[in-house]
Amino acid sequence: QQQVRQSPQSLTVWEGETAILNCSYEDSTFDYFPWYWQFPRESPALLIAIRPVSNKKEDGRFTIFFNKREKKLSLHITDSQPGDSATYFCAARNSNNRIFFGDGTQLVVKP
Amino acid sequence: EAAVTQSPRNKVTVTGGNVTLSCRQTNSHNYMYWYRQDTGHGLRLIHYSYGAGNLQIGDVPDGYKATRTTQEDFFLLLELASPSQTSLYFCASSEHNNQAPLFGEGTRLSVL
Repeated sequence: QQQVRQSPQSLTVWEGETAILNCSYEDSTFDYFPWYWQFPRESPALLIAIRPVSNKKEDGRFTIFFNKREKKLSLHITDSQPGDSATYFCAARNSNNRIFFGDGTQLVVKP
Repeated sequence: EAAVTQSPRNKVTVTGGNVTLSCRQTNSHNYMYWYRQDTGHGLRLIHYSYGAGNLQIGDVPDGYKATRTTQEDFFLLLELASPSQTSLYFCASSEHNNQAPLFGEGTRLSVL
């Protein structure tokens, strides 16, 4: 059973629009949720992260909304830029420090 | 500066070949991970370790061995490589206290 699921698989938005990337998880004991982005031919890099004690985490144009009861979270990218085009991975960590990744959302921002 | 260094960056071998992928971190992190990345599957955990001499099994361990010789060094071993192991391999390291793993640059392995 996949522990972390992401949707949509791919998303295209126009420059200036808000992109919404969704994530859900299975294990209610997960205690840390990092989002990574990955550009072509590069390694994944941490973008933003949230802990379950918060329901929102903001960093510039990037905001995580977290719903613990429904075991869902989403990444909102406001004023999307072509340079935001990348694959975004939602991840979750358990108490053994094991990190589970979703399959990713490929975002394309058209100018 | 925190760093995770993988070697080699590219490797080509034949079916049945013996391959060792190396990873070194200079971050004094306790945890190290080996992932493989394939189109449509995201990042899948092969093995991980929380210290020298320790090894934990991940989600896709079949066909892989790993060894953590020191806090800095984590190796992934393919003793009888198969074409299904053609993939992009990432090593990562982290501390336990609320830190996301830091990834190396990756090793692209082709098994012919």
